[in-house]
Amino acid sequence: QKEVEQDPGPLSVPEGAIVSLNCTYSNSAFQYFMWYRQYSRKGPELLMYTYSSGNKEDGRFTAQVDKSSKYISLFIRDSQPSDSATYLCAMSRPYNTDKLIFGTGTRLQVFP
Amino acid sequence: DVKVTQSSRYLVKRTGEKVFLECVQDMDHENMFWYRQDPGLGLRLIYFSYDVKMKEKGDIPEGYSVSREKKERFSLILESASTNQTSMYLCASMGPGNTGELFFGEGSRLTVL
Repeated sequence: QKEVEQDPGPLSVPEGAIVSLNCTYSNSAFQYFMWYRQYSRKGPELLMYTYSSGNKEDGRFTAQVDKSSKYISLFIRDSQPSDSATYLCAMSRPYNTDKLIFGTGTRLQVFP
Repeated sequence: DVKVTQSSRYLVKRTGEKVFLECVQDMDHENMFWYRQDPGLGLRLIYFSYDVKMKEKGDIPEGYSVSREKKERFSLILESASTNQTSMYLCASMGPGNTGELFFGEGSRLTVL
């Protein structure tokens, strides 16, 4: 079993839709949770970063962590065609924050 | 603006050839990483380095080596390329505080024939 599981998609939604992207994990030691966005033929870039449980909002993006269920989510409101990309979740343990464990990524397509 | 530059975007090599992938960062970061990215497998860590001349094995180091002679430069070496090393290779650096923010290069797509 992989430490981090992520549905590969593709997920195709119309412009303006609310998008929910999710990851599950098995290691309860993970404390730092991240979402990276990767456009086609580019390297990933950090989108959201949260520590432990709770929600974090940044514009149209909300990251949610539920440690009791070992489940993290990224919500995108009012999705735009420019949000079309692959979204990778990543997580790490305390005292080992430089060793990120990545999900396989979910490909999102937002059509006009 | 932070920048991680990978010298080659696309390479085609033959089985058995030696391959060098170069990566340079201009952010004075101490930590640098090499990943490979494959469909369905995601990002897997090959090697990382905390400082000049230091290196640590990641999850899949077999068939690879690295070199870090200067702080800004981290090279990945395939001593004898094989077809199963056909992949996208991503270099990254991480700033102080270990917040989990990796700065990635644009990737080097290697095809081994």
